[in-house]
Amino acid sequence: EAGVVQSPRYKIIEKKQPVAFWCNPISGHNTLYWYLQNLGQGPELLIRYENEEAVDDSQLPKDRFSAERLKGVDSTLKIQPAELGDSAVYLCASSSRGTGTYNEQFFGPGTRLTVL
Amino acid sequence: SQQGEEDPQALSIQEGENATMNCSYKTSINNLQWYRQNSGRGLVHLILIRSNEREKHSGRLRVTLDTSKKSSSLLITASRAADTASYFCATVNQGGKLIFGQGTELSVKP
Repeated sequence: EAGVVQSPRYKIIEKKQPVAFWCNPISGHNTLYWYLQNLGQGPELLIRYENEEAVDDSQLPKDRFSAERLKGVDSTLKIQPAELGDSAVYLCASSSRGTGTYNEQFFGPGTRLTVL
Repeated sequence: SQQGEEDPQALSIQEGENATMNCSYKTSINNLQWYRQNSGRGLVHLILIRSNEREKHSGRLRVTLDTSKKSSSLLITASRAADTASYFCATVNQGGKLIFGQGTELSVKP
């Protein structure tokens, strides 16, 4: 079974530029999460999707961040414009139906973003 | 905001020794999970313990949970160099949200 796929793995951009990250969850997982992980810290939830619906986006800085999950499968996270403080690792995770968010989550390798 | 606080922040041991990491949290939980993260990689789920459980084992891992003290510990027995990684506890609250601690960085020297 393929795991959570993320691309790109690394991205270097200049501040004020836009950037997008893509995630393909494990097949059949209806719950998808985007996390931000700063160096030396644990991941922090940005947004959680149940199928196509964003059910928890309270931590997403909506002035510059946006996300979508069309057709309830793949998801894209966008930052526009990027700021220096956005440099971090962006992790995508998914979990299965049933007890959903109470179950274990499966993480992708992450996208390491560097904003210059 | 991160709920869990982990102790120690860093731990260095010799291969074959046991490693113990502790996690404390603040609010009531549905379950508590431990994850491992190797350098530059995503997180891997290790074990889940529910709020009505006190101890759980998986291979060389032993997790305890004390809800009265709002704390958990992860014990890795007979450690190996391959266990070198960061270990995170994560609590799941009654709303289903997973909140991670800051992690313990474990180094196992051969």
